Amino acid sequence: GEDVEQSLFLSVREGDSSVINCTYTDSSSTYLYWYKQEPGAGLQLLTYIFSNMDMKQDQRLTVLLNKKDKHLSLRIADTQTGDSAIYFCAEGSTSGTYKYIFGTGTRLKVLA
Amino acid sequence: DAGITQSPRHKVTETGTPVTLRCHQTENHRYMYWYRQDPGHGLRLIHYSYGVKDTDKGEVSDGYSVSRSKTEDFLLTLESATSSQTSVYFCAISESTSGPTYEQYFGPGTRLTVT
Repeated sequence: GEDVEQSLFLSVREGDSSVINCTYTDSSSTYLYWYKQEPGAGLQLLTYIFSNMDMKQDQRLTVLLNKKDKHLSLRIADTQTGDSAIYFCAEGSTSGTYKYIFGTGTRLKVLA
Repeated sequence: DAGITQSPRHKVTETGTPVTLRCHQTENHRYMYWYRQDPGHGLRLIHYSYGVKDTDKGEVSDGYSVSRSKTEDFLLTLESATSSQTSVYFCAISESTSGPTYEQYFGPGTRLTVT
């Protein structure tokens, strides 16, 4: 079956880089996403990568995709206290229902 | 922000009682989803809808039913609530024309406690 896995917690110091990892199983996924959830709120799309790409950079965010190992990572440069949140990876398909499979979420804590 | 509201935002109910959660959107998006969020499990899809009166099951649909009689409303019903259904419930919407990302937009969530 489909499964998306993430480590549950990550703690970094302010100004350091954060790397959040994700492994997925559905090789037919068209898009892979990173969503951010701040306390008491819903999820918001942070960035995404097409499955035929290896890397995408968006300001402080770098997404790396290793299709062979089905491994996705999100690097946040110069991590700030405002980056403290839960980060979810998700895989999606455009097969008609636009469903996602979400990972378990990684809680990032940024220490001042 | 996408126009998605959920009601109620918080609810405490007793085991065995029926509960209905409402998701309302003002974006006229075709697709609507109900998820539950639990520690260690992330978000799991309960049911989704791909149009008025068109719904299908997700991965954790047992004990839940849904209805969509209008584009803007998607209702989630727990026919007889159990303590295992204590969770935070999120509604999301999407449209095939949401750009290349097929982004899902999330509501603020409903925290349900079943005692």
